[in-house]
Amino acid sequence: DSGVTQTPKHLITATGQRVTLRCSPRSGDLSVYWYQQSLDQGLQFLIQYYNGEERAKGNILERFSAQQFPDLHSELNLSSLELGDSALYFCASSPRYWAEYNEQFFGPGTRLTVL
Amino acid sequence: KNEVEQSPQNLTAQEGEFITINCSYSVGISALHWLQQHPGGGIVSLFMLSSGKKKHGRLIATINIQEKHSSLHITASHPRDSAVYICSRRRYSGGGADGLTFGKGTHLIIQP
Repeated sequence: DSGVTQTPKHLITATGQRVTLRCSPRSGDLSVYWYQQSLDQGLQFLIQYYNGEERAKGNILERFSAQQFPDLHSELNLSSLELGDSALYFCASSPRYWAEYNEQFFGPGTRLTVL
Repeated sequence: KNEVEQSPQNLTAQEGEFITINCSYSVGISALHWLQQHPGGGIVSLFMLSSGKKKHGRLIATINIQEKHSSLHITASHPRDSAVYICSRRRYSGGGADGLTFGKGTHLIIQP
């Protein structure tokens, strides 16, 4: 158990809908990262937050947004869902600003299926 | 061409064999990260490397910055090592991460 929790575990929804994925980092970790893993694209970095502020952006679509709250939990919002958004979404946390020299701890993931 | 290339894509070996998984990257890095993804989907961070070599139990990771190459070795492999091993390049440029790029992973199966 990494100490990072993600809810829900599974989510099935329809095209055009909006969903929110939630992540609680390990106690004391200030950085949260979101990743998408699909069969054709593999793992992709979406976005990073540090202590409530956005710090780095990867291949995140405009239909997607995220935030980190004062209690350090984070939410990833996916809207106008398309079939291609079906994927595993992972959250990871690390103690400091950037996990350049320290490891990240991954949550169990949320499996999103868009029908 | 992906900035991070892993080889082999698939590897099946017998229990006890010495395993090597390779990772090459085309752009300079700040650090390289090895991840293990279990059949159930969970991801575990194995190593973060910026130079030299690191060892944890039966796992050893090495990196050669000049050659832009890293290897992950597993000694005395065991069926529980069966997983996907993913290499990730990190590049940091002052104000924030310049990007994170992942290899497509090496599917390792260790047969008893």
